[in-house]
Amino acid sequence: DAKTTQPNSMESNEEEPVHLPCNHSTISGTDYIHWYRQLPSQGPEYVIHGLTSNVNNRMASLAIAEDRKSSTLILHRATLRDAAVYYCILSREGDYKLSFGAGTTVTVRA
Amino acid sequence: DAGITQSPRHKVTETGTPVTLRCHQTENHRYMYWYRQDPGHGLRLIHYSYGVKDTDKGEVSDGYSVSRSKTEDFLLTLESATSSQTSVYFCAISVGTTDTQYFGPGTRLTVL
Repeated sequence: DAKTTQPNSMESNEEEPVHLPCNHSTISGTDYIHWYRQLPSQGPEYVIHGLTSNVNNRMASLAIAEDRKSSTLILHRATLRDAAVYYCILSREGDYKLSFGAGTTVTVRA
Repeated sequence: DAGITQSPRHKVTETGTPVTLRCHQTENHRYMYWYRQDPGHGLRLIHYSYGVKDTDKGEVSDGYSVSRSKTEDFLLTLESATSSQTSVYFCAISVGTTDTQYFGPGTRLTVL
């Protein structure tokens, strides 16, 4: 299984953008890039996913490098509620299994 | 909200007793999962199901069994609970072909 590498932690100020990097140098052509987050005392929550093109939704944007070996999750204006552990996960279409790593713990300062 | 509920939400039991956790979904999704989460280990897949009576093992299946007799319910059983099974258990369902998963609220299990 292709693996991802994320920083252990990041800090941000409220109302500023947050850029969360993820490296996945062994990604294959059919691997989707998923992002989930987990707020304290809650289950993981789907954020966004993509294959090759950049993606936007109401929660975040996903920027995927042209060679797909890295990606960045962008939270446009961090709020205190965005403090969570963010997981970058690769999932092969049709595999139907996710493998969670340690993720990046995001702290948002008021 | 993907219509996933877990019961019970909290349980305290003693070593050696059987325990069954229930995951219920309301949207007839084919794939369902059980994960456990422990400090320092993140989420680990225990078992998953790809249809009624169709199940398979995950990475930490020892000591656990599952059953799925109806599309909407996926049961996780600890035949003889041990203290090492003290954990938070999450159920999830998969939506679509790109494996977007939605998680339940979790069950906190303490085995004394």
